[in-house]
Amino acid sequence: DQQVKQNSPSLSVQEGRISILNCDYTNSMFDYFLWYKKYPAEGPTFLISISSIKDKNEDGRFTVFLNKSAKHLSLHIVPSQPGDSAVYFCAASARSGGGADGLTFGKGTHLIIQP
Amino acid sequence: AAGVIQSPRHLIKEKRETATLKCYPIPRHDTVYWYQQGPGQDPQFLISFYEKMQSDKGSIPDRFSAQQFSDYHSELNMSSLELGDSALYFCASSKGPDTYEQYFGPGTRLTVT
Repeated sequence: DQQVKQNSPSLSVQEGRISILNCDYTNSMFDYFLWYKKYPAEGPTFLISISSIKDKNEDGRFTVFLNKSAKHLSLHIVPSQPGDSAVYFCAASARSGGGADGLTFGKGTHLIIQP
Repeated sequence: AAGVIQSPRHLIKEKRETATLKCYPIPRHDTVYWYQQGPGQDPQFLISFYEKMQSDKGSIPDRFSAQQFSDYHSELNMSSLELGDSALYFCASSKGPDTYEQYFGPGTRLTVT
């Protein structure tokens, strides 16, 4: 059962426009969400995160929005640049009390920025 | 900035053999996580360690074991390898067990033939 869902396997956006990547989750115990970017043959790179007590977090060109009632979050990249072409993973964490909790990942969205 | 180091980067083993993967966390990071990513799949959490103690456990097969050493590096030991163990194995580290952000290494690609 996929607890974190990224329903778009791929997304194509023109350079300079806004890229919006979506993520849905089913586990109401998730209290922290993260976005990772992954290039081929490399490990995931941390991009931005958001706590469940917030609805928006911004870092430069990247903004993450969280809608808890809808169990939905999105990553906005504006303006999109060619170097943004990569696979983007949405990940979530549920505090178990013991710490060092593993992340639950979605299947990723391959973002392609077209010149 | 120093990143997570994993070795080896590539490993080829035969069925029923054993394999040991190593992970060196970012300096001053004391918490280590292991993930397995099969072809076309999302990373699946296996196990984590904080201060040399197992902290959280995911879908790690009984044939696998792991430990963290006093210098905080970690090793994932895999025995009786099966074809289905072929995957990318990522190690991640964080500063403390209560830090959500995990920083990933480049991965070890294990191929079982």
